[in-house]
Amino acid sequence: SSELTQDPAVSVALGQTVRITCQGDSLRSYYASWYQQKPGQAPVLVIYGKNNRPSGIPDRFSGSSSGNTASLTITGAQAEDEADYYCNSRDSSGNPWVFGGGTKLTVL
Amino acid sequence: EVQLVESGGGLVKPGGSLRLSCAASGFTFSSYSMNWVRQAPGKGLEWVSSISSSSSYIYYADSVKGRFTISRDNAKNSLYLQMNSLRAEDTAVYYCARDSDYGDYLVHWGQGTLVTVSS
Repeated sequence: SSELTQDPAVSVALGQTVRITCQGDSLRSYYASWYQQKPGQAPVLVIYGKNNRPSGIPDRFSGSSSGNTASLTITGAQAEDEADYYCNSRDSSGNPWVFGGGTKLTVL
Repeated sequence: EVQLVESGGGLVKPGGSLRLSCAASGFTFSSYSMNWVRQAPGKGLEWVSSISSSSSYIYYADSVKGRFTISRDNAKNSLYLQMNSLRAEDTAVYYCARDSDYGDYLVHWGQGTLVTVSS
C-alpha cells in the first residue's frame, strides 16, 4: 500500500501563516483531503479536492498540490486552529484509502 | 442532517470477538460506499475496511485481513464490523465514515466507539 508522509509537529505564532505538507506517490494521481482533529473529537473535513472547503470551514484554510506534495495552509492562524491535521487520499496501489501520520499544530 | 452513530465497543479479552455497528441517517445510505477507520490511543488515523454501496466490493487493511468482516444492511441503514481474534494492537477508537458523492474523500464521520482489548 501507499504511504503519505507528514511532519509530526509544526508551530505558528498567533495570526501568522502556516503550511502543513503531505508527501506521497498517490498524490500524483489523487487530490489530498485534509481533516482537523481536536482532542477527544472525531476528525472534521476542512479541505477537499483541488481547494474546496465544506460549509462552515473558515476561508483562512486553503489547499494546494504540486507533484507528489499536497499542502494545507492556514492564513492568520487562530488559537482554535490548534489541533492535529491529517491528510488522506485514494491509494494508488490497491487499497481504497491512505492516511498521513498526522501533524500536531501548536499556535503560540 | 447526516448522522453516523457507532456502537458496540467495549472491553474484550485477547482472542475474543466484538461486533461494531454504525447507524446512518440523513442520506440515502444505499447509495454510498462506507468505511471503518480506527485510531489507537495517541496515534494517527488508520484505514481499516471499506464496502461499496451494494456490497459488491470489499477491502481490508493487511493488519485486519482474515480477522475482521465488514458488512452492511441497506434496509436498516446500518454498517457493521465483525472483529474476531482480537489483539491488543486492535485497541482503538473505531470510526465509521461515508464516502463523498464521487468517492474522492471521506465527507462524514461518526463520533467513534472505543474498543479495548486487554486481559
